Parts: sequence; structure tokens; C-alpha cells
Amino acid sequence: QVTLRESGPALVKPTQTLTLTCTFSGFSLSTSGMCVSWIRQPPGKALEWLARIDWDDDKYYSTSLKTRLTISKDTSKNQVVLTMTNMDPVDTATYYCARVPVGAKGTGAFDIWGQGTMVTVSS
Amino acid sequence: EIVLTQSPGTLSLSPGERATLSCRASQSVSSSYLAWYQQKPGQAPRLLIYGASSRATGIPDRFSGSGSGTDFTLTISRLEPEDFAVYYCQQYGSSYSFGQGTKLEIK
Repeated sequence: QVTLRESGPALVKPTQTLTLTCTFSGFSLSTSGMCVSWIRQPPGKALEWLARIDWDDDKYYSTSLKTRLTISKDTSKNQVVLTMTNMDPVDTATYYCARVPVGAKGTGAFDIWGQGTMVTVSS
Repeated sequence: EIVLTQSPGTLSLSPGERATLSCRASQSVSSSYLAWYQQKPGQAPRLLIYGASSRATGIPDRFSGSGSGTDFTLTISRLEPEDFAVYYCQQYGSSYSFGQGTKLEIK
């Protein structure tokens, strides 16, 4: 059974750096074609893709947020970490991680999601 | 960046009726890399359709996807009470982007 779970602070202050961890089970990020993405959703609004990290450590970022994001993985711990610098109240959202199987045997879409973690940015 | 526009914004139907949701892309989506997700209040999105027309694991066959290029459709053939939710389309052929969502509500 594939599961993902996001963890991190529920509240951060403006200008601080947010660090979120996605802990997963049921698959390995060392398997060819396996990737993990981060997505966020402000309250009542649409989904926004943030970043993706691949089994071979390739990394991809949203063009609009690229300068503020860093994604990394710890394969031995089955974890993916996202950091976002210079947080602002507009970054208040639920942050999700999701599995993304790519390549010939993958769907390419976000097939399994974590339950999400709500982050509020406020002083 | 490919912009996805979903219509209508809200669709009011009754159980048993047929639902047709539209997703239009600002430029062609390569290799039909178009997915549909369902999201219920307080829950994470769930993958329904990938590759424009392939159902994800465990998705009932009343859900079907079609289209290519810039125009895509999600059809729910006969609405069940549990189908009332928000639906998002997503393209993954050129980076990633999501539509703004269609809310399917009970009439």
C-alpha cells in the first residue's frame, strides 16, 4: 500500500523559511521512473504545482516560485523535503506531496496524494 | 506556461443525470498528457483519468475522458451521490498546470 504524509509547522511568520517533509511508504525513490511532487492549495482556491524530484535526483520547479524553492530527498529515510524562503501571507495554503510515476510504465500524473498539511503565514 | 480553462465554473445536476465537464488549454497539450482529479471537501485530490482517457486504478467506468490537442472532456455517465465534488484538469506535457476547477453540485 502506497502512502504519503506531509509534516511541518502549522504557523510561520512572514519572511521566515518554511520546511516541509513528505514521508512515504510502499515505493522507493531509488526506483527508475519514480518521482515526488509538491502541490499547494490556498483556502477555497485551485491547486498549484510547486516542485518535483526524480529518482535520479533531477529537480524541477515552478517558474514563478523557482527562486524561493528547494527540493531534496533522503532515499534511505523515504523522505522528500521542500523548503520555501521568505514566506508571505499569500503563501497560506494546504501543502500536499504526491507520487508521480513517469516513464514507459508510469501514468505521469499524480497518482497517490498525502492528506496535506495546512500552513498559515501570519505575524 | 499552458493555461487551462475549465467550464462551467459550477454545474448543477441531479443524481442519475449525465455530467459533461470541459477543459480547454491555451496551447496544444503534448501526447495528450491531460489528467482529471476529483476533490471532496477536506480531502486531497484523487486521480480519475490520465493520458486524457485512461481510468486510474479503482475508478468506476461511469467516469470517462476524451479529447486531444487543446480540448478535453470529462464525462460522468450517470451521477451517483458521491460524485458531487470539485473536479480539476491538469496538463503534464509541459511542466505542470491545473485548471481553476468545476464544482459539481446537487440540483
